[in-house]
Amino acid sequence: GAVVSQHPSRVICKSGTSVKIECRSLDFQATTMFWYRQFPKQSLMLMATSNEGSKATYEQGVEKDKFLINHASLTLSTLTVTSAHPEDSSFYICSARVSGTGDSPLHFGNGTRLTVT
Amino acid sequence: GESVGLHLPTLSVQEGDNSIINCAYSNSASDYFIWYKQESGKGPQFIIDIRSNMDKRQGQRVTVLLNKTVKHLSLQIAATQPGDSAVYFCAENGLRTDKLIFGTGTRLQVFP
Repeated sequence: GAVVSQHPSRVICKSGTSVKIECRSLDFQATTMFWYRQFPKQSLMLMATSNEGSKATYEQGVEKDKFLINHASLTLSTLTVTSAHPEDSSFYICSARVSGTGDSPLHFGNGTRLTVT
Repeated sequence: GESVGLHLPTLSVQEGDNSIINCAYSNSASDYFIWYKQESGKGPQFIIDIRSNMDKRQGQRVTVLLNKTVKHLSLQIAATQPGDSAVYFCAENGLRTDKLIFGTGTRLQVFP
């Protein structure tokens, strides 16, 4: 089956530093990847759509300068949380679909737990 | 705005019983629906999906029912097992978008 891998699974950083999270599609190519954020006991909220070779599309209320997304290849998208603050502490999850059409399931990575101290 | 929501935040069932998890959606233009299972500390895992031209779809021990008239979606799990304990999310893909919108989630607890 389709496998999406995220790295790291956990990261602790100090306030003001930047953190990069990688998302890879291991056995398929993905022109589009999606980044979600999940707070404890809450649902997944879409942050942005990562597009290979072009700029990411951000959801309303998500700061593009704070959450930098790069999708340089068909198997890798990165999310960089810049100048992280404690309120950025969350569970970040990426996803992709094998098929390019919207009527097929997204496959998710196992998430990255970010803790900003 | 448009949203996908759930009626019950927590569902407790006895091992071996059937579970029914419900979901209401508000976008009548939605044409594709998915159920995901999320275990603690992990990403969502695909369970089953259904397109709007169907009202029922069955998988292994799971059945999804879609009632477009009342915009309701349900997931039925037969012979619930301890390993089914998790949070279950319904999600929708609208016709004009490839984004996935998640509902609020239901925690399923299975007790012996």
